[in-house]
Amino acid sequence: EVVLTQSPVILSLSPGERATLSCRASQSIASYLVWYQQKPGQAPRLLIYDASNRATGIPARFSGSGSGTDFTLTISSLEPEDFAVYYCQQRTNWPLTFGGGTKVEIK
Amino acid sequence: QVQLVESGGGVVQPGRSLRLSCAASGFTFSNYGVHWVRQAPGKGLEWVAVIMSDGKSKFYVDSVEGRFTISRDNSKSTLYLQMNDLRAEDSALYFCARDRGASALYCDYWGQGTLVTVSS
Repeated sequence: EVVLTQSPVILSLSPGERATLSCRASQSIASYLVWYQQKPGQAPRLLIYDASNRATGIPARFSGSGSGTDFTLTISSLEPEDFAVYYCQQRTNWPLTFGGGTKVEIK
Repeated sequence: QVQLVESGGGVVQPGRSLRLSCAASGFTFSNYGVHWVRQAPGKGLEWVAVIMSDGKSKFYVDSVEGRFTISRDNSKSTLYLQMNDLRAEDSALYFCARDRGASALYCDYWGQGTLVTVSS
């Protein structure tokens, strides 16, 4: 099983600041890494697929990078609606696995 | 627009069974794989199972293999999850989610979930 480790667990930032979230895989997953955003009481929303491709309707302030075992989700300038929990997911090996999540909270 | 609506959750005793349903609309259901993903209260996401668009290929997380069965009825645009021998650790909000393609193995649309509580 591919274990995904997200860091930090909690990221405290102010609106307008840059957020950098990390996802590390226990083995190489090429570029088959996906990012989701989840707000309280809501279903997850697809943000980024295959490490760096923004999903339909996702603002340009969200970007993804990485390959192999190290991946990064960057939010260039936090908007109030961006404070949420972010999960990564790999789609290379069975079972599909998610990281434990990073909560981006208002400082 | 794409909609996924789960139903069938509830409170059930350990060892009993439950069947979840997910009614899909707004897209050609038979062209897409569909997943179940669960989330225990206050916890992260856990992928449970997927059924590909052909209805034949199915995959499960180890912890539910042999107890849960994923199936689909394309004529009704409905996904199912038959859950047998339920355990306390199966308690979670169960999301139905559409695969981005026939077998892309990630999800672009999600339902709002149905809550399963396993308790005596």
